[in-house]
Amino acid sequence: GIQVEQSPPDLILQEGANSTLRCNFSDSVNNLQWFHQNPWGQLINLFYIPSGTKQNGRLSATTVATERYSLLYISSSQTTDSGVYFCAVVFTGAQKLVFGQGTRLTINP
Amino acid sequence: DADVTQTPRNRITKTGKRIMLECSQTKGHDRMYWYRQDPGLGLRLIYYSFDVKDINKGEISDGYSVSRQAQAKFSLSLESAIPNQTALYFCATSENRDYGYTFGSGTRLTVV
Repeated sequence: GIQVEQSPPDLILQEGANSTLRCNFSDSVNNLQWFHQNPWGQLINLFYIPSGTKQNGRLSATTVATERYSLLYISSSQTTDSGVYFCAVVFTGAQKLVFGQGTRLTINP
Repeated sequence: DADVTQTPRNRITKTGKRIMLECSQTKGHDRMYWYRQDPGLGLRLIYYSFDVKDINKGEISDGYSVSRQAQAKFSLSLESAIPNQTALYFCATSENRDYGYTFGSGTRLTVV
C-alpha cells in the first residue's frame, strides 16, 4: 500500500556530530515536507521540498523524486536539535498530507 | 498571534463526556485539517474540510465529528470520550492541496 517510511527510528548522537535522516515514499508526490517536533510537542516546518536541494543554516534536505526518497542532513548537532523529525507527503492525485512515523533524535551534551 | 490557534492547550476529561477542541486560523486558507498523534506514531488524519460546505472523513474518523463554522474556524468534537482517544491533536491549514501546510501548537487531551 501507499507508505511513508522513515529511518532510523531512533538516533542518539553527541553534540557536534552530523546526522542523516531518510524518508522513503511509495509513489510519486506533489509535496514533501520535513517537520521537527520539539520536546513540547510543537511541529516546526523545516522544508517544503518535493524535489531538489535546499539549505537553511545547519540543516539541508534533498529529495530525489524519481527514486522516491528524501534525506535530511543536520550538521554540527546541538542539544536543541533533539526531538522527533517527521517526513510528510502529498501523493500525486491525493488531497492530504500523509506522515511517516518519525525519527527520534537525541543529542547528548 | 499565531497563524493557527488551538484551544484548549491541555485538557483532562472523564470517560463519556462530550468535549470540543477548537481551531481558528488567520492564514485565509480554505483547507483545514484535524490530525491525531499517538505516542511513537506519526500523525493520522481524522477529518478535513476544503471549504465551509465541504467536509470529509479521514482515516480515523470513528468517534469524532467536526464543524466548520466559518472559513477561519474548524472544531473537532468527541461526543462520548473514551480513554483510547487520549492523544495529541493538531489542527492544520493549507494554501492548496500540495503547498503551505501550517500546524497549530496542538491540544493534549487525556481521557480518564
